[in-house]
Amino acid sequence: QSVLTQPPSVSAAPGQKVTISCSGSSSNIGNNYVSWYQQLPGTAPKLLIYENDKRPSGIPDRFSGSKSGTSATLGITGLQTGDEADYYCGTWDSSLSAGVFGGGTKLTVL
Amino acid sequence: QVQLVESGGGVVQPGGSLRLSCAASGFTFDIYAIHWVRQAPGKGLEWVAFIRYDGSKQYYADSVKGRFTISRDNSKNTLYLQMNSLRAEDTAVYYCAKDYHYYASGNYNYWGQGTLVTVSS
Repeated sequence: QSVLTQPPSVSAAPGQKVTISCSGSSSNIGNNYVSWYQQLPGTAPKLLIYENDKRPSGIPDRFSGSKSGTSATLGITGLQTGDEADYYCGTWDSSLSAGVFGGGTKLTVL
Repeated sequence: QVQLVESGGGVVQPGGSLRLSCAASGFTFDIYAIHWVRQAPGKGLEWVAFIRYDGSKQYYADSVKGRFTISRDNSKNTLYLQMNSLRAEDTAVYYCAKDYHYYASGNYNYWGQGTLVTVSS
């Protein structure tokens, strides 16, 4: 059971938009920065979004992040088949003094 | 460019020990916090341990507390994870991950390629 809650799977057609939610509590998302990661099969996770809504250099603006209260959302527009991957949200939990992740969301581009 | 290269994984019997290393390059190692994160086969990411930029503070997941020890040698730009009393449920790919900050922010901007630890008799 993950501390952060994500939907197990989402799907959409190429060119469409999808959002992935991440729900937590005041001790984690509510008071700490949220990050998002993309993990392609057989590879290490890759940072997509940090500090809630910032994109590292090299990450296209098709990827966006937002946070409101104890929830965060990853948005992906202009879906491509290459976006098919597992997506994870993560943050720090101040009460647990531990890093926490969501269970991951598998994105299928139909 | 930033590189994190893990080593030391392998097959170990239950109750055994293993020490993982993570060699860092391409950034100023001694001003950033570093974490270990693992991923069991077919499962999601699980945070394992954190160490502050100067080694003065460490935190551990409950699942490894008392068995694993994280440490760093800033003179060698290297992170370590000493794993004792290993259990079957510790079987996973272990990643070292650089934090965005000197403290534990939970935002990891660089990851190593991972090293596989298999605990089996």
